[in-house]
Amino acid sequence: QSALTQPPSASGSPGQSVTISCTGTSSDIAAYNYVSWYQQHPGKAPQLMIYEVNKRPSGVPDRFSGSKSGNTASLTVSGLQAEDEADYYCSSFAASNSVLFGGGTKLTVL
Amino acid sequence: EVHLLESGGGLEQPGGSLRLSCAASGFTFSSYAMSWVRQAPGKGLEWVSAISGTGGDTYYAESVKGRFTISRDNSKNTLYLQMNSLRGEDTAVYYCSKGITHFGYWGQGTLVTVSS
Repeated sequence: QSALTQPPSASGSPGQSVTISCTGTSSDIAAYNYVSWYQQHPGKAPQLMIYEVNKRPSGVPDRFSGSKSGNTASLTVSGLQAEDEADYYCSSFAASNSVLFGGGTKLTVL
Repeated sequence: EVHLLESGGGLEQPGGSLRLSCAASGFTFSSYAMSWVRQAPGKGLEWVSAISGTGGDTYYAESVKGRFTISRDNSKNTLYLQMNSLRGEDTAVYYCSKGITHFGYWGQGTLVTVSS
């Protein structure tokens, strides 16, 4: 059960778009449409931003979108705002009824 | 409104045991799988364990299999995590969360520190 692979950092200027990738294997991301993304501000609990690859929970701005191709999932944040600066984690349901998380990506709004 | 409140964390010596609890409200507890997710200081999220709504099926990360036991009491709307043979690498904030395919609701977490 290896963790999913995310870039450690990403950045963009206000108003720009940024995409964070999440790479897994044929046993997790490629096998299930249960990819989710979480935003975490320092000292806070994670917040669900995307579930089932591309669905947004109520209250999450439509600036956040998700997609998947093969064993790689992506989170795109459009129209970057200062409050988007946070850590982002991907997650996927995996074989043997387990769950994997990525190592996290620190998003900096320049 | 969904509310999850963890308790039971604290300082424990290596090899010791702790039992975490998570009191749930605001939804039909017995209808949903529940999970524990942990986060070591300054590190990322790690899924620990999950349990079906009835409690009949349980699932564990390899890192805790054989040492941790997840359970639930649907009459009390409470989720538990019994942690035995604790190791230093178990030091983390432990969150309970609703679901297993994705985690839409989280508690505030309870800190477990394993140190002599």
